[in-house]
Amino acid sequence: GAVVSQHPSWVICKSGTSVKIECRSLDFQATTMFWYRQFPKQSLMLMATSNEGSKATYEQGVEKDKFLINHASLTLSTLTVTSAHPEDSSFYICSARVRLGPSSYNEQFFGPGTRLTVL
Amino acid sequence: KQEVTQIPAALSVPEGENLVLNCSFTDSAIYNLQWFRQDPGKGLTSLLLIQSSQREQTSGRLNASLDKSSGRSTLYIAASQPGDSATYLCAVSTSGNTPLVFGKGTRLSVIA
Repeated sequence: GAVVSQHPSWVICKSGTSVKIECRSLDFQATTMFWYRQFPKQSLMLMATSNEGSKATYEQGVEKDKFLINHASLTLSTLTVTSAHPEDSSFYICSARVRLGPSSYNEQFFGPGTRLTVL
Repeated sequence: KQEVTQIPAALSVPEGENLVLNCSFTDSAIYNLQWFRQDPGKGLTSLLLIQSSQREQTSGRLNASLDKSSGRSTLYIAASQPGDSATYLCAVSTSGNTPLVFGKGTRLSVIA
């Protein structure tokens, strides 16, 4: 299957700082990328959907000014957590969907996740 | 809005048992359904993907079935092993353009 990478795999930062997480599709072009968040012992909750070259669409309750998403190329999307606070500590997972023809299946491929701890 | 429910939330079985994990979804008009495995603190490993036109998929000791009309899927694990211990997540998408919606998962423990 297709490979999606995330960097960094974990990060610890002080409250009030900003953290950038990168998501890359390594061997395919991803027209759409998704960002999910997972709190301990909870399931994955979709935060936003980003399409290359356009603004991200955020789910209800997710602050777009706090979680900045950039999808500048077909292989890279970034999530920046601005002025992070302890309640933002979570596991952030990106997912990429490859552009296929009308008769092909649009499977989502997932990155390994980034664990953010805000002190 | 699509909602995905997984039962049971946790399951503990002795090694060698066959087991079934259940997943239900509220909107039967799905595009595909996927089962994932997640080890503690790790990302997702895709196990099986079933397209809406399919009824089941098999991979090794795993078999996933799909009954769209009733909004259900099951993941069957044969001859369970301690290495199967993990959280199993079910997820569905309602179209080729919409993201996967996840259930809360079933936490499986296989006791040696």
